[in-house]
Amino acid sequence: EVQLLESGGGLVQPGGSLRLSCAASGFTFSTSAMTWVRQAPGKGLEWVSAITGSGETTYHADSVKGRFTISRDNSKNTLYLQMNSLRADDTAVYYCAKDARAYYRYWGQGTLVTVSS
Amino acid sequence: DIQMTQSPSSLSASVGDRVTITCQASQDIGKYLNWYQQRPGKAPKLLIYGASNLETGVPSRFSGSGSGTDFIFTISSLQPEDIATYYCQHYDNLPLTFGGGTKVEIK
Repeated sequence: EVQLLESGGGLVQPGGSLRLSCAASGFTFSTSAMTWVRQAPGKGLEWVSAITGSGETTYHADSVKGRFTISRDNSKNTLYLQMNSLRADDTAVYYCAKDARAYYRYWGQGTLVTVSS
Repeated sequence: DIQMTQSPSSLSASVGDRVTITCQASQDIGKYLNWYQQRPGKAPKLLIYGASNLETGVPSRFSGSGSGTDFIFTISSLQPEDIATYYCQHYDNLPLTFGGGTKVEIK
């Protein structure tokens, strides 16, 4: 059974940093591209970042480019999202999802990031 | 980036009604279109992929059609458990943008 478990969310001040993790199990992690999607409170879904299975290629939405970095540790079956220079409009539930270039059949439960002073 | 425009943004219908949601892409995406259901407080759930393919385990009252720029999502007979927000998403190229969502309520 595919399982994705996000962690690392919380309250952070504007300009601060946070690293999200997504622990994966139930599939061959190293061959699966992965994605982060976020959802601001009461808003729709926004694609954030994606990474290939090897980790060699990454993609980021313009809204986070230069501030967020997606990475992975295939030895630990874990996906990361390093978030720097956080702003109030980064407040959202962050989901990790399996795969990157088609449809997302598997999602985590989400972790809430709140950027506020 | 490809823009996805969904309509309506919300609707209210009775149990047993046929419900239709449309999604328009800002450019031709072929059949690279998915539909998701999101219940409050939950992660999205894939319902339809490739514009018209029903995900395994999803009830047959859900269906999708269309190609190019115009797509339709249908619930043939609305059930109480279908109360949710529905999103379209293209996968023609990155970024895989979503529509704004359609909130479905029971009248």
